[in-house]
Amino acid sequence: EAGVAQSPRYKIIEKRQSVAFWCNPISGHATLYWYQQILGQGPKLLIQFQNNGVVDDSQLPKDRFSAERLKGVDSTLKIQPAKLEDSAVYLCASSLGAKETQYFGPGTRLLVL
Amino acid sequence: GDSVTQMEGPVTLSEEAFLTINCTYTATGYPSLFWYVQYPGEGLQLLLKATKADDKGSNKGFEATYRKETTSFHLEKGSVQVSDSAVYFCALSTSGNTPLVFGKGTRLSVIA
Repeated sequence: EAGVAQSPRYKIIEKRQSVAFWCNPISGHATLYWYQQILGQGPKLLIQFQNNGVVDDSQLPKDRFSAERLKGVDSTLKIQPAKLEDSAVYLCASSLGAKETQYFGPGTRLLVL
Repeated sequence: GDSVTQMEGPVTLSEEAFLTINCTYTATGYPSLFWYVQYPGEGLQLLLKATKADDKGSNKGFEATYRKETTSFHLEKGSVQVSDSAVYFCALSTSGNTPLVFGKGTRLSVIA
């Protein structure tokens, strides 16, 4: 069974630039999550989708971060403009439902200079 | 709010040593508890889980028991191997439509 796919794996940008990350969840998984993992910390939820609707985006910095999940499958997370403190690994996870086990992708490592 | 506290790392052990990584939690309601592992260069993988009090999760020689009375979910392994070197995260999820809340992670290094 194919796992959660993410791209790119690494990205280096300068502050104030924009960047986008892509996630393809496991086939059939209705719930999709984006987490931010800053070095030395555990992952922190940014946004949770159920199919193509947003369930929880309370910790998403909406002035600069946006995410969408068109057609309830793939998802993109965008940062515009980026700040130095956005340097982190961005993890995508999916699950069959909100109460089911989450499966994580390899992450996208972002460095903002 | 809900939170997870796990022991600070890094932890360095010799091969075949006994491992304990402590994890305690604070949560409203009755959470499910998880241990995730992150091997170098890889994504998070579910190691084991327990969904109710006194349940024991186990996988790959690792075990953790859900202790409601002490709000703990300590990870143990009787004999670690070099291949167990990774970062271990304790996490919880409360009932309903809520995501995982993670601890800060504990880095384990096993030397031959």
